[in-house]
Amino acid sequence: GEDVEQSLFLSVREGDSSVINCTYTDSSSTYLYWYKQEPGAGLQLLTYIFSNMDMKQDQRLTVLLNKKDKHLSLRIADTQTGDSAIYFCAESLSGGGADGLTFGKGTHLIIQP
Amino acid sequence: DAGVTQSPTHLIKTRGQQVTLRCSPKSGHDTVSWYQQALGQGPQFIFQYYEEEERQRGNFPDRFSGHQFPNYSSELNVNALLLGDSALYLCASSLARDGYGYTFGSGTRLTVV
Repeated sequence: GEDVEQSLFLSVREGDSSVINCTYTDSSSTYLYWYKQEPGAGLQLLTYIFSNMDMKQDQRLTVLLNKKDKHLSLRIADTQTGDSAIYFCAESLSGGGADGLTFGKGTHLIIQP
Repeated sequence: DAGVTQSPTHLIKTRGQQVTLRCSPKSGHDTVSWYQQALGQGPQFIFQYYEEEERQRGNFPDRFSGHQFPNYSSELNVNALLLGDSALYLCASSLARDGYGYTFGSGTRLTVV
């Protein structure tokens, strides 16, 4: 079956880079996603990457994909207090972009002043 | 431009009862997916509706059913509620032809007592 694993907590100092890691199991996944959830809110799509890409950069966000190891990471440069949230890694169920997603349990990003 | 709207925001039900949750997708979106997020967990895919039909389903019992209306809005029905059904229920909408980029609502918090 499919499973997405993430570490539960990450603590970084304001201004440093945050790196959130994720491993997934379904090698047929075509799309991999990072979502952000703030307290009391729904999920906000941060970025996604196609499985034929190794890296994707979008302003302060960098996504790295290692297909061989089924490892996905999200780097947030110059971490700010507003980045404090839960970050979810997700893969598409059947490989298609319009399919349901399998989420990890989420990584709580804690920002130290 | 309204995003995804869910109602009600909070709900308390008694074990054994039935509940209906509602979702209006983002303007222009034609696909609605439902997710269950238990406390401290990542969202779990329940099912997806497109063209008024259930297109894909996660690992949830038949007590969970849904409907999509011609205006693309959707309902999630849960029968014979169990204490374990207490969770945040998230609705996500997308455009089928885009294949990615779900927009999530803020969810309905269901408490079963």
